[in-house]
Amino acid sequence: DGGITQSPKYLFRKEGQNVTLSCEQNLNHDAMYWYRQDPGQGLRLIYYSQIVNDFQKGDIAEGYSVSREKKESFPLTVTSAQKNPTAFYLCASNPTDWDNEQFFGPGTRLTVL
Amino acid sequence: RKEVEQDPGPFNVPEGATVAFNCTYSNSASQSFFWYRQDCRKEPKLLMSVYSSGNEDGRFTAQLNRASQYISLLIRDSKLSDSATYLCVVKGAGATNKLIFGTGTLLAVQP
Repeated sequence: DGGITQSPKYLFRKEGQNVTLSCEQNLNHDAMYWYRQDPGQGLRLIYYSQIVNDFQKGDIAEGYSVSREKKESFPLTVTSAQKNPTAFYLCASNPTDWDNEQFFGPGTRLTVL
Repeated sequence: RKEVEQDPGPFNVPEGATVAFNCTYSNSASQSFFWYRQDCRKEPKLLMSVYSSGNEDGRFTAQLNRASQYISLLIRDSKLSDSATYLCVVKGAGATNKLIFGTGTLLAVQP
């Protein structure tokens, strides 16, 4: 089955540690995105990638980093510089950045203790 | 002012009721509009796109009023399974073609 996978579903880390969230898609989509969702707020764009080996900052990129070395993979690293990292992180993709519908992975709920 | 604004709810309605959600957006140049559905602790999924002429999909009707920068979603004959958060989503215009998400409206359909 084609789709987007994110792992793990729940992740706990100590404050000050970097953590990398996985996002993989087998839909052959060029564009991939990372959002975070906090209670009472809409999804906010962290980073996006329109094509392999290229990515751009979204609205709240500070404290995060990404790579796009392979078309199917877009991992997100939450660094210790991110002041409030506890959130629900969602990865999405679409065939190209100009397509309307984005397909979401199941999300990773990160809790920093 | 937020780029996309929605009433957060919750909307508590009995089964069979008709319920309407509203959404306003600030950028008059926005080109595309959507409603996504998000179940508790799950990922959002596209419910329907919203077209200028209005569109219907079964019990769901979406409408767009460009002059007022207003989008609506009407759900008729509510089912228990309709309980979810409904996200209003607007696609930016021009070079900014990113999706902008509202905070969502929570619907709870009661038996």
